[in-house]
Amino acid sequence: AQTVTQSQPEMSVQEAETVTLSCTYDTSENNYYLFWYKQPPSRQMILVIRQEAYKQQNATENRFSVNFQKAAKSFSLKISDSQLGDTAMYFCAFMKPGGDQFYFGTGTSLTVIP
Amino acid sequence: GAVVSQHPSWVICKSGTSVKIECRSLDFQATTMFWYRQFPKQSLMLMATSNEGSKATYEQGVEKDKFLINHASLTLSTLTVTSAHPEDSSFYICSARVGGQGNGQPQHFGDGTRLSIL
Repeated sequence: AQTVTQSQPEMSVQEAETVTLSCTYDTSENNYYLFWYKQPPSRQMILVIRQEAYKQQNATENRFSVNFQKAAKSFSLKISDSQLGDTAMYFCAFMKPGGDQFYFGTGTSLTVIP
Repeated sequence: GAVVSQHPSWVICKSGTSVKIECRSLDFQATTMFWYRQFPKQSLMLMATSNEGSKATYEQGVEKDKFLINHASLTLSTLTVTSAHPEDSSFYICSARVGGQGNGQPQHFGDGTRLSIL
């Protein structure tokens, strides 16, 4: 089974600052897909960003970007200009090619401090 | 696009009652939907994969007779918690995938159902 590790259970950041959430994974696959999801207090899971392993270019969505290091099996999420609405649980997820199942990390609880 | 609706959002019922939770894909067809369970401050645990027109695939340790899944159409999957007991109290979330298996597309999630069994 694939394993996804988020080593930071809790983090905090000052509003307008930048924060990086870490995620590492273990796989023998060469091509796969990685995702970051956000779960605010409302509990809805919201897709933040998606990365295809065969693409070397790091994915970016507005203030959210990733640092994808394939050899190190690392997929960190950088949030720039943090806003109060970014306060949430963040989950990293892995999906094998040709597969259905998501493998989720244990999550990082991020608090943005005014 | 890719909106998933889950109903009800919150249900409280007595022990021994059966509870049905609906998951609908509103603007796309979903041949596959997923059911998760989440305990407070923990990650999502996959319970089963629901396939339209066929039997669901349950993860190890999940009781098929306790958690009945029906995926009768391309837009609706239901999870029925039969004879619910307090230990079944949890947050249940469904998701659906756009397109076929293995296409690398993200799952889109419903808002979740908070189930409380008294």
